[in-house]
Amino acid sequence: ETGVTQSPTHLIKTRGQQVTLRCSSQSGHNTVSWYQQALGQGPQFIFQYYREEENGRGNFPPRFSGLQFPNYSSELNVNALELDDSALYLCASSLNRGAITSEQYFGPGTRLTVT
Amino acid sequence: SQQGEEDPQALSIQEGENATMNCSYKTSINNLQWYRQNSGRGLVHLILIRSNEREKHSGRLRVTLDTSKKSSSLLITASRAADTASYFCATVAISSGSARQLTFGSGTQLTVLP
Repeated sequence: ETGVTQSPTHLIKTRGQQVTLRCSSQSGHNTVSWYQQALGQGPQFIFQYYREEENGRGNFPPRFSGLQFPNYSSELNVNALELDDSALYLCASSLNRGAITSEQYFGPGTRLTVT
Repeated sequence: SQQGEEDPQALSIQEGENATMNCSYKTSINNLQWYRQNSGRGLVHLILIRSNEREKHSGRLRVTLDTSKKSSSLLITASRAADTASYFCATVAISSGSARQLTFGSGTQLTVLP
């Protein structure tokens, strides 16, 4: 167990709807990253939050947005869901201290199905 | 987009044999990491090798890195049925700035038969 939790475990949404996924970081970690993993593929970086601000973004459209809260927990929001958004969404927490970055600890993921 | 490719895509071996997986990547890296994933669940960090290192060991794991060929290999010795999982390499690019995001390969599905 990494100490990183995600909710919900699974959910099914309809195309066009909006979804919010949640992540609770490992204690003491100030950075959270979100990844999308399509079936049979490796995870792809969506974005990262460090001390409540976006700290880097992958090649995802603006309808993917996020938040990080003062307790370093995080949300991933996806608007106007498309069928291709069906995937496993993983969050990972880490401790960034200047030039030093610890390894990333992954949560179990949320399986999103868009119909 | 994926950073690179892993080879083979799938590998099936008998318990006790060694398993070798290879990873190639495209950009200059700060470090390369290997992760394990069971049945579409969360990833577990296995080992990290920095760009100035050539080989690293952790228990039954041995990782090599050849930055001139932009490639890495993961060797699991004396495999066990419990090693059955997907294995991913992930790189942190020098150009990734402060985010230091992981860029993953496409993974190798390892099956260890009892």
